Amino acid sequence: DVKVTQSSRYLVKRTGEKVFLECVQDMDHENMFWYRQDPGLGLRLIYFSYDVKMKEKGDIPEGYSVSREKKERFSLILESASTNQTSMYLCASSPGVAGGSDEQFFGPGTRLTVL
Amino acid sequence: GENVEQHPSTLSVQEGDSAVIKCTYSDSASNYFPWYKQELGKGPQLIIDIRSNVGEKKDQRIAVTLNKTAKHFSLHITETQPEDSAVYFCAATDSWGKLQFGAGTQVVVTP
Repeated sequence: DVKVTQSSRYLVKRTGEKVFLECVQDMDHENMFWYRQDPGLGLRLIYFSYDVKMKEKGDIPEGYSVSREKKERFSLILESASTNQTSMYLCASSPGVAGGSDEQFFGPGTRLTVL
Repeated sequence: GENVEQHPSTLSVQEGDSAVIKCTYSDSASNYFPWYKQELGKGPQLIIDIRSNVGEKKDQRIAVTLNKTAKHFSLHITETQPEDSAVYFCAATDSWGKLQFGAGTQVVVTP
């Protein structure tokens, strides 16, 4: 079974702190994604990556950056956390054989609270 | 860009009844329409998907229909069971092949 793991289930940070959210997948998938999930808004794509060291902006990249130094690991970085970044963050991976049209496998999520 | 609308936002059904969730999309180039189920405390998981060259697909108690002309697709769950209680998300690919998700439907199956 594909496993996508996220470094923390719950995280509490202060405004202005630099925050790292880590994601690791164990199925040699090409694609990795970061979403945020907010009530009534569904899942919104922050950044994605189709290859090592490659990154593309999603729909809401402002205030975030990402890093993919190894194929299995995709990190989301909040350079200076703000209260409006309080949310559930979901990482996903997909094989990449069908572009954007293949199954995405999600991690359990990180509930981030910024005080 | 792609805009996916999902209705209803909450759905309460009696065990054994059917549940239907409807989604509309705006981008006529969309060609892939997955449905994800998210149980409490877990990430979303794909339950069924349909591509634009197919009008209907069924997998045991769940089925999805696609009407490309009207740009809408629906999820049908028959003989609902308590374990069907979850949040369901529809999605559609946009012009760049990225998934755009609907807002989600909270389904509650009461015994």
